[in-house]
Amino acid sequence: DAKTTQPTSMDCAEGRAANLPCNHSTISGNEYVYWYRQIHSQGPQYIIHGLKNNETNEMASLIITEDRKSSTLILPHATLRDTAVYYCIVRDSNYQLIWGAGTKLIIKP
Amino acid sequence: SAVISQKPSRDICQRGTSLTIQCQVDSQVTMMFWYRQQPGQSLTLIATANQGSEATYESGFVIDKFPISRPNLTFSTLTVSNMSPEDSSIYLCSAEEGMNTEAFFGQGTRLTVV
Repeated sequence: DAKTTQPTSMDCAEGRAANLPCNHSTISGNEYVYWYRQIHSQGPQYIIHGLKNNETNEMASLIITEDRKSSTLILPHATLRDTAVYYCIVRDSNYQLIWGAGTKLIIKP
Repeated sequence: SAVISQKPSRDICQRGTSLTIQCQVDSQVTMMFWYRQQPGQSLTLIATANQGSEATYESGFVIDKFPISRPNLTFSTLTVSNMSPEDSSIYLCSAEEGMNTEAFFGQGTRLTVV
């Protein structure tokens, strides 16, 4: 069973910031939160991951709440090429990534 | 970041035959994994490919159906044996360089069984 909960789909206007929420209320203290995306017919692409501090890289920012029960992935200036399914993932007790259904993000012109 | 090459990218196979998918990583990695993704679905882990020992399979997947090899730290193969139309799916190879690092993925093999 997925240990994260994400909205099924979201829309965002091109050029605006896309904010994708994720709930991971059962996360343990040493578990990282990972974000990936999958553009149609391609393999998943790593975006970012974090433990408790906010993280930023060239693709996105990750904001993790203080209690670590939820996080938000921010794409600061969404483009049409950001249309994809976005997965928020934690690992299970066997260290495997648990893939839920993800959020289908549609960027509209 | 590791770059993963997966071959073939797609294939159409007759039922009852077998297909071997190759996964090559451009650097040595600690862990390699094989996933299946059925149309419109999320990823399901098939097994962890262990270097020098038998793969570790997830519930619902068995070695006779999905034999896996991992002869070294950069290469693995997955065979889909005695294929049926239900095996039509995308098969993905993944690699991780160490604990709590990101996973990298190949572009997948789109398999159609007729």
